[in-house]
Amino acid sequence: DTEVTQTPKHLVMGMTNKKSLKCEQHMGHRAMYWYKQKAKKPPELMFVYSYEKLSINESVPSRFSPECPNSSLLNLHLHALQPEDSALYLCASSQSGGPVDEQFFGPGTRLTVL
Amino acid sequence: GQQLNQSPQSMFIQEGEDVSMNCTSSSIFNTWLWYKQDPGEGPVLLIALYKAGELTSNGRLTAQFGTTRKDSFLNISASIPSDVGIYFCAGQLRMDSNYQLIWGAGTKLIIKP
Repeated sequence: DTEVTQTPKHLVMGMTNKKSLKCEQHMGHRAMYWYKQKAKKPPELMFVYSYEKLSINESVPSRFSPECPNSSLLNLHLHALQPEDSALYLCASSQSGGPVDEQFFGPGTRLTVL
Repeated sequence: GQQLNQSPQSMFIQEGEDVSMNCTSSSIFNTWLWYKQDPGEGPVLLIALYKAGELTSNGRLTAQFGTTRKDSFLNISASIPSDVGIYFCAGQLRMDSNYQLIWGAGTKLIIKP
């Protein structure tokens, strides 16, 4: 199984809503990532979990809250988002977050904030 | 911040033509990765390169890790309609105590009707 799955595929939310994005992998990878991607741009790193510990937070606003319940699951909790947060949110995983890792991406969640 | 210069930004090609794109940087990378992304989907890993000078093929795709570890190219031979999409290069380097991907801006491949 070389797949990273993400749910939901699409999400529309208001600025006062609370929602969560979910990501799952069963490749035994110990590093998991959240990226944000705007149209026609490369992915921008948001968070990295390595061995279930948050190792990188790229100065992401606190309205985005990541959670790694176990080595296979990664969540992104959303609260009080702004319209400019609308984007494709990608989850990725890799073996260990080390120097020769390959990151595998999920299909993404298309988020629209009204 | 770190940047990769990816070119060309877009390419219009005829079906059957060969395609070449490249990425350069002022930084030395441990690993080069090439991804393809279709609209509304996540990037799919095409080729990973680990050693300077390494030349790797995956079907009609060939990529090389430059000898200086600061550049890489991707070639696609005999392009077909399903090759349409955006191709991203990404280089991995160590930042503080973590390894991160630095991304090129992407090359959009369009096939002329």
